[in-house]
Amino acid sequence: QKEVEQNSGPLSVPEGAIASLNCTYSDRGSQSFFWYRQYSGKSPELIMSIYSNGDKEDGRFTAQLNKASQYVSLLIRDSQPSDSATYLCAVLNTGGFKTIFGAGTRLFVKA
Amino acid sequence: DVKVTQSSRYLVKRTGEKVFLECVQDMDHENMFWYRQDPGLGLRLIYFSYDVKMKEKGDIPEGYSVSREKKERFSLILESASTNQTSMYLCASRIAGANTGELFFGEGSRLTVL
Repeated sequence: QKEVEQNSGPLSVPEGAIASLNCTYSDRGSQSFFWYRQYSGKSPELIMSIYSNGDKEDGRFTAQLNKASQYVSLLIRDSQPSDSATYLCAVLNTGGFKTIFGAGTRLFVKA
Repeated sequence: DVKVTQSSRYLVKRTGEKVFLECVQDMDHENMFWYRQDPGLGLRLIYFSYDVKMKEKGDIPEGYSVSREKKERFSLILESASTNQTSMYLCASRIAGANTGELFFGEGSRLTVL
């Protein structure tokens, strides 16, 4: 079992729709969870972080965390073509040093 | 503005050559990391350093070594490059002990080993 698992996609949604990206992790002691966005040919950049169970909203982005189910998700509302990218789920391990990444989900937003 | 700079964006090397990848950050971060990114595998941690002259193996250290003589600089060394080390290499840095854990990445170095 991979430490952080994501559906590789591609996920295709029409402009204006909600994109839902999911991630599961195996380290029960993890306390910090992140979503990075990576445009083609660019390096990852942080878009959301979440540390406690529940929802965290930032503009069009909502991160959801369920530690009991070891599940993290990212919702993108009113998706735009500029949201087309690969989204990486990342988890800071129990020791607090290593950030483990999922393989990423490619998102396409069609105009 | 935070800045992580990788010395080379694109490199082409031959099998058996020694390769140096340099990374410099100007944010006074204690922690620095080297990842490689391959299609379908995501980012995999090669080595990390939580302070000057300190280094720890990540998940795939074989064939690599690192050097951290100064706080701002973290170098990745391929002692004898092989074709399976063809990849995108990403350097990142982070403030030590920060609960945020945010990683700041360089632009990446795409290495091709022939």
